[in-house]
Amino acid sequence: GAGVSQSPSNKVTEKGKDVELRCDPISGHTALYWYRQSLGQGLEFLIYFQGNSAPDKSGLPSDRFSAERTGGSVSTLTIQRTQQEDSAVYLCASSPRQGAYYGYTFGSGTRLTVV
Amino acid sequence: GQQLNQSPQSMFIQEGEDVSMNCTSSSIFNTWLWYKQEPGEGPVLLIALYKAGELTSNGRLTAQFGITRKDSFLNISASIPSDVGIYFCAGQNYGGSQGNLIFGKGTKLSVKP
Repeated sequence: GAGVSQSPSNKVTEKGKDVELRCDPISGHTALYWYRQSLGQGLEFLIYFQGNSAPDKSGLPSDRFSAERTGGSVSTLTIQRTQQEDSAVYLCASSPRQGAYYGYTFGSGTRLTVV
Repeated sequence: GQQLNQSPQSMFIQEGEDVSMNCTSSSIFNTWLWYKQEPGEGPVLLIALYKAGELTSNGRLTAQFGITRKDSFLNISASIPSDVGIYFCAGQNYGGSQGNLIFGKGTKLSVKP
């Protein structure tokens, strides 16, 4: 597509449930990033994928968070046993190659609310 | 880890006035970026800076990459209502373990028409 597409745009879930957030990057972009934006905070890096290389998971806050990228395109961020502190906007971005030099294009995000 | 200090956190400005915001870091960055985020949207890139001392303009926006590589500023001239939003600085150090963007906490700009 023309831009980075994320779904759902909003998700309300009960504490303890699992959620899946989806990101469809720009076609041909090999690098894909997930960030988390809490209220009043900047963007917190979670994970990135570059081509077929092993993902950099160094930003994932706990083992309840995981992500995969199938076929080098669509990515799914999974949060297991959600907690209230997981409530945030989850942003996905893609770029033609890894690195800020090539520019990041962000999706509109998924607003997750854990009640 | 690396952190960016962005200031001010928020500002109210009269339409037509100039705006200035800045970011500082204790670490050196190879790239500085400035993004704008509007409600319900993801950040959109405004200006990218790749060399120390570089001064770049994009319309009414001007940004500079500090000579020490530890800071950057963004100026908006003659602000208008559509400038409202949150402005984020972001830096990248290619020698870092992540090689990814580190973001400031943002400057929320509100313009009085």
